[in-house]
Amino acid sequence: EAQVTQNPRYLITVTGKKLTVTCSQNMNHEYMSWYRQDPGLGLRQIYYSMNVEVTDKGDVPEGYKVSRKEKRNFPLILESPSPNQTSLYFCASSLRRPQFWGPQETQYFGPGTRLLVL
Amino acid sequence: KNEVEQSPQNLTAQEGEFITINCSYSVGISALHWLQQHPGGGIVSLFMLSSGKKKHGRLIATINIQEKHSSLHITASHPRDSAVYICAVGGSQGNLIFGKGTKLSVKP
Repeated sequence: EAQVTQNPRYLITVTGKKLTVTCSQNMNHEYMSWYRQDPGLGLRQIYYSMNVEVTDKGDVPEGYKVSRKEKRNFPLILESPSPNQTSLYFCASSLRRPQFWGPQETQYFGPGTRLLVL
Repeated sequence: KNEVEQSPQNLTAQEGEFITINCSYSVGISALHWLQQHPGGGIVSLFMLSSGKKKHGRLIATINIQEKHSSLHITASHPRDSAVYICAVGGSQGNLIFGKGTKLSVKP
């Protein structure tokens, strides 16, 4: 089954304690991305990757790191979480990058990770 | 100025009504993506459009590239259609830009 998995699904942590949210896809997709969703602000892109070892900043990259060492995995790292990073996080993947999307393209989303930073 | 604007922000309808959600964008795109977010939070892809019209069941999506506008229509709406509908377009750098979403509530 084609899917994007994220772990953990729920996380409560304290300010400054490093954490990693994992993301994995089983579709051999080139493009992977992390988003955060906040009330009133909608979905915003944190980082994206167009292929292995290629990552770029999205709209809200401050306080986050990513890596793409293998095609299937795209972990999101919060080195020193702060309360303003409390949010709902989604990982997603698609075969090609958005500039090359065609009508048969699909972006698959992970189930989301709810993070609370105290 | 937001590069992707959705309207309305909130929409309440009676079961059976015809619903239209609009998305306007200001950037050049290769395709526009309509997404549905269920009350539980999960996001699913509905349509990817680069021209014309697509139909899936009671959902129809149209796009006018010249006018930079897309619409999502739901015919014979049902309470199970209650969700947040989000449009997204790809930027020129490989990034993705989202509208803020339209929260639809369909009453029985």
